[in-house]
Amino acid sequence: GAGVSQSPSNKVTEKGKDVELRCDPISGHTALYWYRQSLGQGLEFLIYFQGNSAPDKSGLPSDRFSAERTGGSVSTLTIQRTQQEDSAVYLCASSGSSGGNTIYFGEGSWLTVV
Amino acid sequence: GENVEQHPSTLSVQEGDSAVIKCTYSDSASNYFPWYKQELGKRPQLIIDIRSNVGEKKDQRIAVTLNKTAKHFSLHITETQPEDSAVYFCAASMDQAGTALIFGKGTTLSVSS
Repeated sequence: GAGVSQSPSNKVTEKGKDVELRCDPISGHTALYWYRQSLGQGLEFLIYFQGNSAPDKSGLPSDRFSAERTGGSVSTLTIQRTQQEDSAVYLCASSGSSGGNTIYFGEGSWLTVV
Repeated sequence: GENVEQHPSTLSVQEGDSAVIKCTYSDSASNYFPWYKQELGKRPQLIIDIRSNVGEKKDQRIAVTLNKTAKHFSLHITETQPEDSAVYFCAASMDQAGTALIFGKGTTLSVSS
């Protein structure tokens, strides 16, 4: 597609439920990032995929968070047993290669845990 | 891993004044430093970037300077306009495969007319 596409754009879920957030990067981009942005806060790095290399998971805040990238394209971020502090915008971004190339962000998925 | 500190967290200026935002980074191997602008309710977008082989880069009213020895870089906006009001994020990474882009916590710039 023309840009990074994320779905759903908004998600309200009950505490304790699992959620899946999807990211479709720009076609041909080998690098894919997930960031979390709480209200009025910065861009917190979560996880990074580059081609077929093992992902950099160093930013995942707990073992309730996981992500996968199938076929080097679409990625899914999964949050298990959601907590209220998980409420945030989850931003996906992609770039042509890691480091040094512009990363393009999606519109984000607004997650509200009630 | 890389850690990026950004100051100030908020900045208010009058239209026409200059604005300066400063960032420091921890990993001396980092050599790519982009700046992103995020308007309210929108996604962050790249406005300028610099690599460690240059000390300064300018694009119209915005410029970025880099001091690798001190491990800090700055964004300068001259002749500010109300439409410059946004959150600005600095970031750092190594310009090679396998390294993530780490952002600072952002600076909320308000330009009043």
